[in-house]
Amino acid sequence: NAGVTQTPKFRILKIGQSMTLQCAQDMNHNYMYWYRQDPGMGLKLIYYSVGAGITDKGEVPNGYNVSRSTTEDFPLRLELAAPSQTSVYFCASSSQGASGNTIYFGEGSWLTVV
Amino acid sequence: GNSVTQMEGPVTLSEEAFLTINCTYTATGYPSLFWYVQYPGEGLQLLLKATKADDKGSNKGFEATYRKETTSFHLEKGSVQVSDSAVYFCALSDVNFNKFYFGSGTKLNVKP
Repeated sequence: NAGVTQTPKFRILKIGQSMTLQCAQDMNHNYMYWYRQDPGMGLKLIYYSVGAGITDKGEVPNGYNVSRSTTEDFPLRLELAAPSQTSVYFCASSSQGASGNTIYFGEGSWLTVV
Repeated sequence: GNSVTQMEGPVTLSEEAFLTINCTYTATGYPSLFWYVQYPGEGLQLLLKATKADDKGSNKGFEATYRKETTSFHLEKGSVQVSDSAVYFCALSDVNFNKFYFGSGTKLNVKP
């Protein structure tokens, strides 16, 4: 059971570099999400998507971009990495949105910007 | 707006003690409510959920009841084990905007 798969699991970036966090789900879910979790803190929504070709900003979108060209994939792009983007990033998916359904999480991507 | 507030941790208990982690919410409409658990170095996993008022979600000895009148969804377990040590997140889903809102998490430490 693959579920939600994120890569890479760990990455160290230098300030100003760019990178893409990959996320794929094999559950045919329409809804996908990117969250970040700072040390000792809860989850903050970065971007979400309700279907292929549709994306929208969450609480903390600045410094990030996303695309959703297929139902399965929802990559998160970091442009010009900054130390404030050091965090754990979680991709998640759910079916039929939030109405009574479960959100499934990937295992996380640990990103350090130095 | 929608928000979830849960008690701050860490909560430290001895094995076999009774656990309560408080969670209250603010929401428009009729949200579904969830408890997720995060073990060290892992992603969040669904622990239990309730989709309407007075529903009780339960799993692995944990339970929580959806109380609309007090806007609460407190997590309880009668006898905790060392293996229950983790961070617990309360969450709600917004049926109108297809978003999930999470509390800040409560770390539980269970000592042998």
